[in-house]
Amino acid sequence: ETGVTQSPTHLIKTRGQQVTLRCSSQSGHNTVSWYQQALGQGPQFIFQYYREEENGRGNFPPRFSGLQFPNYSSELNVNALELDDSALYLCASSPRLAPTGEQYFGPGTRLTVT
Amino acid sequence: GESVGLHLPTLSVQEGDNSIINCAYSNSASDYFIWYKQESGKGPQFIIDIRSNMDKRQGQRVTVLLNKTVKHLSLQIAATQPGDSAVYFCAEADSGGYQKVTFGTGTKLQVIP
Repeated sequence: ETGVTQSPTHLIKTRGQQVTLRCSSQSGHNTVSWYQQALGQGPQFIFQYYREEENGRGNFPPRFSGLQFPNYSSELNVNALELDDSALYLCASSPRLAPTGEQYFGPGTRLTVT
Repeated sequence: GESVGLHLPTLSVQEGDNSIINCAYSNSASDYFIWYKQESGKGPQFIIDIRSNMDKRQGQRVTVLLNKTVKHLSLQIAATQPGDSAVYFCAEADSGGYQKVTFGTGTKLQVIP
């Protein structure tokens, strides 16, 4: 196990609603990234947080937003949910000074939008 | 645009044999190339990465080869075990100030006992 935890494990929401997903990073890791993984696809980078600031963003609309807290835990918020938002949402933590490829993923939150 | 892809969607190997999973990439500016393993119901697990200025890197039972001339990446798993059965993703990272990792679509490795 990586030490990265996510909650909840599963979630069902209705189109138009808002959702908040949570992530606790591995001890000592100050960088958290969020990914969306559609069924049968590779994860897609949403954004990254470092020291409570957004430090990079992928091709996702502004209704995807996040927060990082002083203890390096993080939240992903999605507003105005769409059916296509149904996916596995993964967070990954890494130590800032580690090689760029070294990230440790949590088990994910499975979001279903109906 | 940037893309990371895989040659084979499914690979079946006999237990004890060596496995080779291949990957093509298109972004010659990537700084790192990474292999992840994802088991059913779990998040991707970091296996090994290689910096763009290297050709080969070895880990425990795994070797990653990088051929920048043809933009090709491979993961070799020695003495494949049933526990190696999973989906393997190659990915590339462009450090550019932050750790954006671009994943391919994955190769499913099936180990035949």
